[in-house]
Amino acid sequence: DSGVTQTPKHLITATGQRVTLRCSPRSGDLSVYWYQQSLDQGLQFLIQYYNGEERAKGNILERFSAQQFPDLHSELNLSSLELGDSALYFCASSTGQGEGYTFGSGTRLTVV
Amino acid sequence: GIQVEQSPPDLILQEGANSTLRCNFSDSVNNLQWFHQNPWGQLINLFYIPSGTKQNGRLSATTVATERYSLLYISSSQTTDSGVYFCAGRGGNTPLVFGKGTRLSVIA
Repeated sequence: DSGVTQTPKHLITATGQRVTLRCSPRSGDLSVYWYQQSLDQGLQFLIQYYNGEERAKGNILERFSAQQFPDLHSELNLSSLELGDSALYFCASSTGQGEGYTFGSGTRLTVV
Repeated sequence: GIQVEQSPPDLILQEGANSTLRCNFSDSVNNLQWFHQNPWGQLINLFYIPSGTKQNGRLSATTVATERYSLLYISSSQTTDSGVYFCAGRGGNTPLVFGKGTRLSVIA
């Protein structure tokens, strides 16, 4: 157990729907990062939050949004889902002071 | 941003063999990590190694920051070592950037 908790582990939904992925960071970590891994692709950075505020944005679609709550957990909202959104979505956390990231076990999203 | 290149892209080994995976990065990094993604998709942190050498059992890693590369050594490989090995780096306050990975298959 890495200490980063992601729920749900698996999600199957239809095109056009909206889903919410949840991440609880490791105790003491203030930064949360979201990554997307499509089939046979590397990990692409989506967005980072630090202590409740957006810190950096990557290749995140406008249909996707995220937030970090006062208790530091984070949610990634994916709307108007398309088949191409099927992927593994990883959350990672760090203290935000420049050291290593710890990854959760991911949420596998399948859009049918 | 930083570019991370990994080689080789694919590697097939007989059980018991040794291997070296390489990661080159385009600019200075202050964070360099190696991960193993197992066949179930889990991303396991192997090493946080912005510089120097570390060892953990049959695995070891060396980063030469001044020459912008890192190496991951796997000795006496086992079938459970199969999966994809990712190198990822970051410079300054930028988020971690991943390479495309090395897909390792260890055959009994």
